[in-house]
Amino acid sequence: GAVVSQHPSWVICKSGTSVKIECRSLDFQATTMFWYRQFPKQSLMLMATSNEGSKATYEQGVEKDKFLINHASLTLSTLTVTSAHPEDSSFYICSASSDSASSYEQYFGPGTRLTVT
Amino acid sequence: GQNIDQPTEMTATEGAIVQINCSYQTSGFNGQFWYQQHAGEAPTFLSYNVLDGLEEKGRFSSFLSRSKGYSYLLLKELQMKDSASYLCAVTDSNYQLIWGAGTKLIIKP
Repeated sequence: GAVVSQHPSWVICKSGTSVKIECRSLDFQATTMFWYRQFPKQSLMLMATSNEGSKATYEQGVEKDKFLINHASLTLSTLTVTSAHPEDSSFYICSASSDSASSYEQYFGPGTRLTVT
Repeated sequence: GQNIDQPTEMTATEGAIVQINCSYQTSGFNGQFWYQQHAGEAPTFLSYNVLDGLEEKGRFSSFLSRSKGYSYLLLKELQMKDSASYLCAVTDSNYQLIWGAGTKLIIKP
């Protein structure tokens, strides 16, 4: 089956520093990757959608200069949280889609728990 | 606007059957999904429906009525490990996935 990995699985950083999260599709080519954020006891919130080789499309209210997304290849997308603050502490989840003919199912990575101190 | 409604929380007994309903109002429709999410973990895919009717997959079944904007997830022979949040999601005309807030299912012995 389709497998998506994320690295790191958890990270603690100091306020003001930057953190990079990697999302990889291991056995398929991901034409589209999605980045979500989930606060405790809340639903997934889509942050941005990225297609390989083009700029990411950010959802309303998500600062593109703060959350830098790079989708350089069909198997790798990265999210960099710049100048992180405690309110950025959250569970970040990526998903990937191959836009198959039968389904637009998204395959989720295991998530990255970010804690900013 | 686009909206997906599902109950916030449900409680059921081990071994029983539970139905989680989802109503949606979206700009266009290109498929409906159910995901399961255990606390602290990413969602996992359960089902995908694009045509009306019931799809059975083991203990889990999913139903869709496009004319009514309605879906349900049916869980049979409940097990304690089924305690999780169940997320309803719909793909709109732009193939964007719209998420419901999730239904927290609590299974009691």
